[in-house]
Amino acid sequence: SQTIHQWPATLVQPVGSPLSLECTVEGTSNPNLYWYRQAAGRGLQLLFYSVGIGQISSEVPQNLSASRPQDRQFILSSKKLLLSDSGFYLCAWSAGTNYGYTFGSGTRLTVV
Amino acid sequence: GQQVMQIPQYQHVQEGEDFTTYCNSSTTLSNIQWYKQRPGGHPVFLIQLVKSGEVKKQKRLTFQFGEAKKNSSLHITATQTTDVGTYFCMGGGNEKLTFGTGTRLTIIP
Repeated sequence: SQTIHQWPATLVQPVGSPLSLECTVEGTSNPNLYWYRQAAGRGLQLLFYSVGIGQISSEVPQNLSASRPQDRQFILSSKKLLLSDSGFYLCAWSAGTNYGYTFGSGTRLTVV
Repeated sequence: GQQVMQIPQYQHVQEGEDFTTYCNSSTTLSNIQWYKQRPGGHPVFLIQLVKSGEVKKQKRLTFQFGEAKKNSSLHITATQTTDVGTYFCMGGGNEKLTFGTGTRLTIIP
């Protein structure tokens, strides 16, 4: 069966520090991969999505970037965090737009 | 661009009462999905609707896709405390789908 792993679960980082969140999927090949951010009590904002290795589409201009170095690995990065980067970051995968998304358990990032 | 709005934003109901959330799109959707997010958790896929006018049921939950494929609804009969959470619709048809704004359901025991 397919599983998705996302870590760390919580993270407290100072302003200006770098960020690297990793997401891996097991049990499937060539998944669509997504990074979402959710502010407290708010909806889900799509940050990046990828339909294949090295293919990244950005939805929101910001100081974040994403990479897909391997088929089932999706990484969210920042060189310098801002206070406004705080939030709940969720990775998700799907077999395509005609299939449901499976979300990771998320990372709660607090920038202080 | 495509926008998906949900109403209401919040709903407080007495346990045992019914609950409905509505999802409206500015464009025709090829499909619509529904998700539930428990407080402190991550969204969990509930169901997908594809056909115009489609109705699907999961126990006390009834999902409907509009004839024009621009709107959808989720109805919960006789709510229970386990129904607490935020319900999101998501629609689209290309590489990415657009999440609705969500409806947060709270239950008064």
